[in-house]
Amino acid sequence: SQQGEEDPQALSIQEGENATMNCSYKTSINNLQWYRQNSGRGLVHLILIRSNEREKHSGRLRVTLDTSKKSSSLLITASRAADTASYFCATDGRSGGSNYKLTFGKGTLLTVNP
Amino acid sequence: NAGVTQTPKFQVLKTGQSMTLQCAQDMNHEYMSWYRQDPGMGLRLIHYSVGAGITDQGEVPNGYNVSRSTTEDFPLRLLSAAPSQTSVYFCASSYGGGRPYEQYFGPGTRLTVT
Repeated sequence: SQQGEEDPQALSIQEGENATMNCSYKTSINNLQWYRQNSGRGLVHLILIRSNEREKHSGRLRVTLDTSKKSSSLLITASRAADTASYFCATDGRSGGSNYKLTFGKGTLLTVNP
Repeated sequence: NAGVTQTPKFQVLKTGQSMTLQCAQDMNHEYMSWYRQDPGMGLRLIHYSVGAGITDQGEVPNGYNVSRSTTEDFPLRLLSAAPSQTSVYFCASSYGGGRPYEQYFGPGTRLTVT
């Protein structure tokens, strides 16, 4: 069963704008990760946030985590056409989850128009 | 390092045929996993391994077998292909131990069963 659910399912913005994607999950977690998938390719890890962290930055990426609401958001600032991809959140789930048993959401398809 | 490699990239099977999807990693990762991705869906875990000689079932294991005789290789076997197994298959690996680590994904195998 899908643990994470991304919102929105699709997002279209202009180059230079910020993009925000949200992820909600159902059970307690140890950590939450965000991945990017370019069309027809494998997933690439973007950022990992642990359950005791509230915010994390990596370059133009900012991730927040609210464990009380069981939700996370991924913000991409000053987007570029090359950011066009699908973005997935993945959780390990405290109950039986681990590095090797990630549960992925269905993803947000981000289109950045030049 | 080549990272995670998968062969073949594309495969067409007839219903009832069997085949093996190959996966190899050269990063000395303990953990390896197989996922399938269907249109509009996230990734679903098929089988995983926490080390050579140790495998276990994920969310959707029916119709698939795995083995892990070496740290590097983790082949996925389709016993008797069915149209419902038409999908894109991804292999992933990560470090083991108690800390959370990112997963490294292969480029995928696109399988069509007719």
